[in-house]
Formats: sequence, C-alpha cells, structure tokens
Amino acid sequence: DVKVTQSSRYLVKRTGEKVFLECVQDMDHENMFWYRQDPGLGLRLIYFSYDVKMKEKGDIPEGYSVSREKKERFSLILESASTNQTSMYLCASSPGLAGEVAGELFFGEGSRLTVL
Amino acid sequence: AQSVTQLGSHVSVSEGALVLLRCNYSSSVPPYLFWYVQYPNQGLQLLLKYTSAATLVKGINGFEAEFKKSETSFHLTKPSAHMSDAAEYFCAVSDLSGAGSYQLTFGKGTKLSVIP
Repeated sequence: DVKVTQSSRYLVKRTGEKVFLECVQDMDHENMFWYRQDPGLGLRLIYFSYDVKMKEKGDIPEGYSVSREKKERFSLILESASTNQTSMYLCASSPGLAGEVAGELFFGEGSRLTVL
Repeated sequence: AQSVTQLGSHVSVSEGALVLLRCNYSSSVPPYLFWYVQYPNQGLQLLLKYTSAATLVKGINGFEAEFKKSETSFHLTKPSAHMSDAAEYFCAVSDLSGAGSYQLTFGKGTKLSVIP
C-alpha cells in the first residue's frame, strides 16, 4: 500500500514563528501536493510539485512556500505563522502521468496546526 | 476551470436508511470523478472513481455512484446506512493542468450523520 506520512499530527505555534510541515511518501510517486482544509471550504490547493526541485502555485499560495529536494519528501513552510493559518494541512501524492489513474491522490493523515 | 458542487453540507439519515449524497460537476471535457471519505482526525481515503468505463461505479463499504452525463452528476449512494458510515464525504473532479499532469478540484464536502 502507498504510505504518505506527515511528520506531525498536531502542532501549536505562536504568531510569527517559522513552521515546517514535512511529508514523505514511499511509493516513488512523481507528484506531491499540499492542501489546506477548513470547515465549509473543503480542500484548497496550496502548492504542488511534479518533480524534484519543481513547484507550482495552487489556489492559495500566499503566506506559504515549499521545498522538494528529494523525490519522496515535500515540505510546506510558513515563514511567519499567522492566526489565519490555523487549519488542517493535508499532504497527498500521485504516481505521475506514466502511472497515474486520472489523478487519483493518496493522502496522509493530516497535520492540525494551531497558531496562537 | 472545473468545479464541483455538493448539495447539502450536512446530511442525517437513520441507521438502515438509504444514503444519498449529491455531487454535480462542471467540465468542458469528459471528466474523471472521485468520491473520498474522511473519518474524524484522519486523511482522505478513496471510496470510488469514475474513469470513463462503466457509468455505475462500485466502491468500498457498499457505496456506489452513477455517472450521468446529461445531468452532470455523480451522486453517491448506499442502500442501508451503518453507524460506521458517519464521516465527511468529498466529491472531486480531475483535470489536466498546464504542467501536463492531473489535478483534482474538490467540493466543499458533506458531513454524514447516522442516527441510531
């Protein structure tokens, strides 16, 4: 089975702190994604990556950056956390065009971030 | 751009009753469609997917969905609700992004409650 692992299930940070959310997948997937989930808003795409060292902005990239130095790892960075970034963050991966089935995503368990 | 509308942010059914969760999509091309389920404090898990084969798609846990092109719908059903079905359900549509791989757009989700 594909396993997508998010390093922290629950984090509490203070306003202005730098926050790193780590995501690792073990199935050699090409594509990795970061979503934010808020009640009543569903999932919104923050950033995605189709290859190592490549990144593309999603629908809500403001206040976030990402890093993909290795194929299996995709990090989400909040340079200066703010209270409106309190949310559930979900990492996902997919195989890439050669092996993917119409974009099916495999998700991690989520990281619930609270910014005080 | 693709979009997904899920009718009803909350749906309550009695145990043993029919479950019907509605999803309508907009797409300029034949779509790929997905239903995901999220149990409390967990990530998203694939229930079923439509990839232009049979229009009636069967998934896990007794769920199924029917693709109706004329109605641009992909409603999720289960004949008899079980307490363990209480969760949030997300409909998603897939599209090829400018970077040449697939990207999912999610609906806002429907929270299903099952009453004993």
